[in-house]
Amino acid sequence: DAGVTQSPTHLIKTRGQQVTLRCSPISGHKSVSWYQQVLGQGPQFIFQYYEKEERGRGNFPDRFSARQFPNYSSELNVNALLLGDSALYLCASSLGTGEAFFGQGTRLTVV
Amino acid sequence: GDSVTQMEGPVTLSEEAFLTINCTYTATGYPSLFWYVQYPGEGLQLLLKATKADDKGSNKGFEATYRKETTSFHLEKGSVQVSDSAVYFCALSKNTGNQFYFGTGTSLTVIP
Repeated sequence: DAGVTQSPTHLIKTRGQQVTLRCSPISGHKSVSWYQQVLGQGPQFIFQYYEKEERGRGNFPDRFSARQFPNYSSELNVNALLLGDSALYLCASSLGTGEAFFGQGTRLTVV
Repeated sequence: GDSVTQMEGPVTLSEEAFLTINCTYTATGYPSLFWYVQYPGEGLQLLLKATKADDKGSNKGFEATYRKETTSFHLEKGSVQVSDSAVYFCALSKNTGNQFYFGTGTSLTVIP
């Protein structure tokens, strides 16, 4: 079975631009969460979606938004990019509670 | 709020040495506790978990015991290998879905 897949793996954006990151969960998993991992730090929780509904939001500005589609894949959008948004963005999927499986992440660089 | 505090690294050990990475948590209620490992260039992999007080999680020679009285979940391994070199993250979840609170990570390097 395929694991959690994220795309793209790397991208470079300019300050002020907008970016969309994509995540496909493990087949059968209905919960997707997003995390931001700044270099040298632990992942910080951004959003959780379950059955297409937002179930949790971390302490991130409104420039960050996400959605989950009927096939349970998810997108994370970040508007008006700042240099400080440069990070590894991780997606995790699970059946709902308990163990989460992480993708390899999207490395975003804002210049 | 809920949080996890990890022993700062980096940690460098010789092969076959004993490993301890300290982790303490602050949380209301009864969280589940986890150790995740991140190898260079890869995502996070679950190493072990414990869902209630006094539970011991174990995997690949690593162990951690959920100590409610000391709010701790220290990671231990009796004899480390070069292949254990990675960054280790302690995390908690309130079982509200896959919402995790992670520590800052501890980098481990094992030298032959």
